[in-house]
Amino acid sequence: DIQVTQSPSSLLASLGERVTITCQTSQSISNNLNWYQQKPGQAPMLLIYYATSLQTGMTSRFSGQYSGRSFTLTITSLEPEDIANYFCLQHYSAPFTFGSGTKLEIK
Amino acid sequence: QIQLVQSGPELKKPGESVKISCKASGYTFTDYAMHWVKQAPGKGLKWMGWINTYTGKPTYADDFKGRFVFSLEASASTANLQISNLKNEDTATYFCSRSGFAYWGQGTLVTVSS
Repeated sequence: DIQVTQSPSSLLASLGERVTITCQTSQSISNNLNWYQQKPGQAPMLLIYYATSLQTGMTSRFSGQYSGRSFTLTITSLEPEDIANYFCLQHYSAPFTFGSGTKLEIK
Repeated sequence: QIQLVQSGPELKKPGESVKISCKASGYTFTDYAMHWVKQAPGKGLKWMGWINTYTGKPTYADDFKGRFVFSLEASASTANLQISNLKNEDTATYFCSRSGFAYWGQGTLVTVSS
């Protein structure tokens, strides 16, 4: 099984700050990784697919990059509505596996 | 627009069974597989497996073999998840998600408590 290690588990940031969340996979998955935002009581919302592509309708403050087995989600200029949990999903091979999540809070 | 609408919350006792439905609309149901994902309270997400909506063949992740059954009512564009012999640790929100994981149901909370 492909392990996905996500960091940090929690993040305190100020409004307007740039934040970065990372997922590292245990083996190469090409670009088969998605990023999601999830707010309490809601379904996950797709932000980035295939590592770098911004989902239609999502703000361009979200971006994704990858290099080898390391994937990053960047939020530029943090806004109050960005407070949520963020996680990644590798969909390269089954069993598909999720990162453990990052709880983003305002400092 | 594409929508996945799940059935409502369930409260069950240990040993009982539950069936959750996921009704799809806005696309051809049999063109895309359906996945199921578990989220225990305060925990991360776990992929349970998927069902081929064209053939009806289910595939289960290792931790979900035995008491979990994926099924279809293709004529109703609906995928179902049935859990038998419920245990306390089955308490969770269960999501359906269309292949590609762009579209998700709203989640169904199953609470198992005596």
